[in-house]
Amino acid sequence: DTAVSQTPKYLVTQMGNDKSIKCEQNLGHDTMYWYKQDSKKFLKIMFSYNNKELIINETVPNRFSPKSPDKAHLNLHINSLELGDSAVYFCASSQGYAGANYGYTFGSGTRLTVV
Amino acid sequence: TQLLEQSPQFLSIQEGENLTVYCNSSSVFSSLQWYRQEPGEGPVLLVTVVTGGEVKKLKRLTFQFGDARKDSSLHITAAQPGDTGLYLCAGAGGTSYGKLTFGQGTILTVHP
Repeated sequence: DTAVSQTPKYLVTQMGNDKSIKCEQNLGHDTMYWYKQDSKKFLKIMFSYNNKELIINETVPNRFSPKSPDKAHLNLHINSLELGDSAVYFCASSQGYAGANYGYTFGSGTRLTVV
Repeated sequence: TQLLEQSPQFLSIQEGENLTVYCNSSSVFSSLQWYRQEPGEGPVLLVTVVTGGEVKKLKRLTFQFGDARKDSSLHITAAQPGDTGLYLCAGAGGTSYGKLTFGQGTILTVHP
């Protein structure tokens, strides 16, 4: 199936740990994103990559480090996890950079719980 | 920073009723997109409107983009329980170049 797939679906970890979330898209899209959805369902962009290049870094703590080994993959590594990092993280992709007329395809999300 | 104000935040209605969700901004967007999100899943694109004044229909859903490209609305006719979900508007372009800026969302519950 063509899709954006991210793993794991659920992640429960202790404060201070380091964790990674992986994302892959087989849609042939040029641009990939990480969004964070808080408990009020508000979606906020964290990063975007276009053809493996970082385009947007939206005032995210440097404990969060994205990595794009190729344009089909965008992973998110988080160091020294804090309670406030608990949220649902969504990976998305779009054809083209600006996204103005291109819809996003989202993964099904990773629910991160820091205890 | 471009903001999208979405209203209402919550909507609980009976099957068969009509409803409208609004998405407003003081900024101009190149396009407005509407998404629907179900629990445990990512948002799924419903429609993109690009031209000021544009109206698009998707079965019982009607989407409109304001003439000034600052606002949009989603109207659902004869709502069904299957319409239940979180509806999100998102703007692209302007100072949101290269990303989508989302509204806060509307949680719709349609009771049988």
